[in-house]
Amino acid sequence: SQTIHQWPATLVQPVGSPLSLECTVEGTSNPNLYWYRQAAGRGLQLLFYSVGIGQISSEVPQNLSASRPQDRQFILSSKKLLLSDSGFYLCAWSWETGNTIYFGEGSWLTVV
Amino acid sequence: AQSVTQLGSHVSVSEGALVLLRCNYSSSVPPYLFWYVQYPNQGLQLLLKYTTGATLVKGINGFEAEFKKSETSFHLTKPSAHMSDAAEYFCAVSASSNTGKLIFGQGTTLQVKP
Repeated sequence: SQTIHQWPATLVQPVGSPLSLECTVEGTSNPNLYWYRQAAGRGLQLLFYSVGIGQISSEVPQNLSASRPQDRQFILSSKKLLLSDSGFYLCAWSWETGNTIYFGEGSWLTVV
Repeated sequence: AQSVTQLGSHVSVSEGALVLLRCNYSSSVPPYLFWYVQYPNQGLQLLLKYTTGATLVKGINGFEAEFKKSETSFHLTKPSAHMSDAAEYFCAVSASSNTGKLIFGQGTTLQVKP
């Protein structure tokens, strides 16, 4: 079966500090990978998606970036965090030709 | 372009009562529709989905939803609410069969009173 893990689960970072959230998927190959952000009362917003190693598409302009160094690894980064980057970040995956996405447990980021 | 509107950010029902969570969508192409549930501080779990075929879709935990093209709706129902159903529910739409780029509604928080 397939599993998805992301870490850390909780992070408190000062404004201007860097960020790295990691996500890995097990039990599948060539998955599509996604980063979503959930802000309070605003639903979920797709930030990035990737269909393969090194292939990243950004959905919204922002202070964040994503990378996919390996087939089943997806990383969300920032060089300098802003207060507005606070939120709940969710990694997700889907089959290469599938439309159903499966979420990780999420990471709470608080920028102070 | 696709969009999703969930009517009612908060819904409160008594235990054993009918649960009805409303979702309306907008799509220029045949939609793929989803309901996800999120328990506090957790990721989202797929409840059910509609792609093609039968318009009444059954999911986990006794939930079901009906795709009504004429009403552009995909409402989620459960005949009898349980305390464990208290959570946030998200409706989502996808424009394509081979992408997980979902457009989510704002979510509906379901409260179940004893």
